[in-house]
Amino acid sequence: EVQLLLESGGGLVQPGGSLRLSCAVSGFTFSSYAMSWVRQAPGKGLEWVSTITGSGGSTYYADSVEGRFTISRDNSKNTLYLQMNSLRAEDTAVFYCAKVAEMSPTYFQHWGQGTLVSVSS
Amino acid sequence: QLVLTQSPSASASLGASVKLTCTLSSGHNSYAIAWHQQQPEKGPRYLMKLNSDGSHSKGDGIPDRFSGSSSGAERYLTISSLQSEDEGDYYCQTWDTGIQVFGGGTKLTVL
Repeated sequence: EVQLLLESGGGLVQPGGSLRLSCAVSGFTFSSYAMSWVRQAPGKGLEWVSTITGSGGSTYYADSVEGRFTISRDNSKNTLYLQMNSLRAEDTAVFYCAKVAEMSPTYFQHWGQGTLVSVSS
Repeated sequence: QLVLTQSPSASASLGASVKLTCTLSSGHNSYAIAWHQQQPEKGPRYLMKLNSDGSHSKGDGIPDRFSGSSSGAERYLTISSLQSEDEGDYYCQTWDTGIQVFGGGTKLTVL
């Protein structure tokens, strides 16, 4: 079955503002896999942002977003979220949702197409 | 500290082969990695997981032209019979408890 990850919620927001990203998935048993957010600033490489285990019981964050971003998931809705608060200009990036290969954090096995977040006044 | 190092760029001719390198930081020789491809203006695509012994498992639909190998702290991605659509950025990625790490990426140009 084709695995699909579809991000939404990106847009333009002012510095200090908030945004909530969503990633709707299909084609696999969502609760059996950890999920992550990865971002890519314009012209830059990939940067891991956050990961949540399959059960949602454990979450992990990059130092650059710790305390400002919150990852969560709703396994009944097959949806992953990223709540982003206190946004800064340096958070401007395309945010990708990624399926991790296992229930705990390892490597990214499938990617979404991304949603653009622009932080600017 | 877990760090992955990649050369910023590589180039090879159409139909030739190219070998990209990803180097693990000291003390992390036993770590597996994953290779990901990003074609221009597209999202990343998972290519393969590569273990320290050189064994690897590829993603669905990844052609046989893509292969992986390992030596010490080095992890390699070899692409044979290069095609124009192989042009893009290639990232290695690894993980440890609570963190996931990317290399800086290698931009591959197909001449």
